[in-house]
Amino acid sequence: NAGVTQTPKFQVLKTGQSMTLQCAQDMNHNSMYWYRQDPGMGLRLIYYSASEGTTDKGEVPNGYNVSRLNKREFSLRLESAAPSQTSVYFCASTRGRANEQYFGPGTRLTVT
Amino acid sequence: GEDVEQSLFLSVREGDSSVINCTYTDSSSTYLYWYKQEPGAGLQLLTYIFSNMDMKQDQRLTVLLNKKDKHLSLRIADTQTGDSAIYFCAESMEAGRRALTFGSGTRLQVQP
Repeated sequence: NAGVTQTPKFQVLKTGQSMTLQCAQDMNHNSMYWYRQDPGMGLRLIYYSASEGTTDKGEVPNGYNVSRLNKREFSLRLESAAPSQTSVYFCASTRGRANEQYFGPGTRLTVT
Repeated sequence: GEDVEQSLFLSVREGDSSVINCTYTDSSSTYLYWYKQEPGAGLQLLTYIFSNMDMKQDQRLTVLLNKKDKHLSLRIADTQTGDSAIYFCAESMEAGRRALTFGSGTRLQVQP
């Protein structure tokens, strides 16, 4: 099993450009999450999907949209990138009553 | 609201024990977690504890939970240079969106 995979690993965008971050999991998990990590801070929740076909906002959703394409895939879209969106983005999926979350390797995004 | 706090930095010598501390404010937290992040990598789940437990041991790792004081600690016995990383404490609820709330991380430096 590959676990949680994310593409791309690195990306540089100019202000105003758009892009989609891809995430896929092969563990048959129902719930998936997008977090961002900024220096000196823990992870903050952007959006989550409790199950296929449902998505909900997290703590910091402004400037982002998501799609839960199927059970495996959960994408994050930046429609018009801003420098404040420079961050490392992590996707996670979860199983079980203990809500053990498994993370992808991250996408490092720089917006200039 | 939810808040998880950790000290920023800990330095120990190889072979010593490390103790990383965390405090949280939400008394309805159901599960508490420790994650490890190595440079340039995603978060790796180390262990978790259910809120009705006081202690959990897993090989070199011991988690202690003081629910009255809302204090969680992670003890690493016989610390090795490979344990150098950032350690995140996180909490979640059993119901609702079940996203994790993270502390800002403790950087553990192990001196040879």
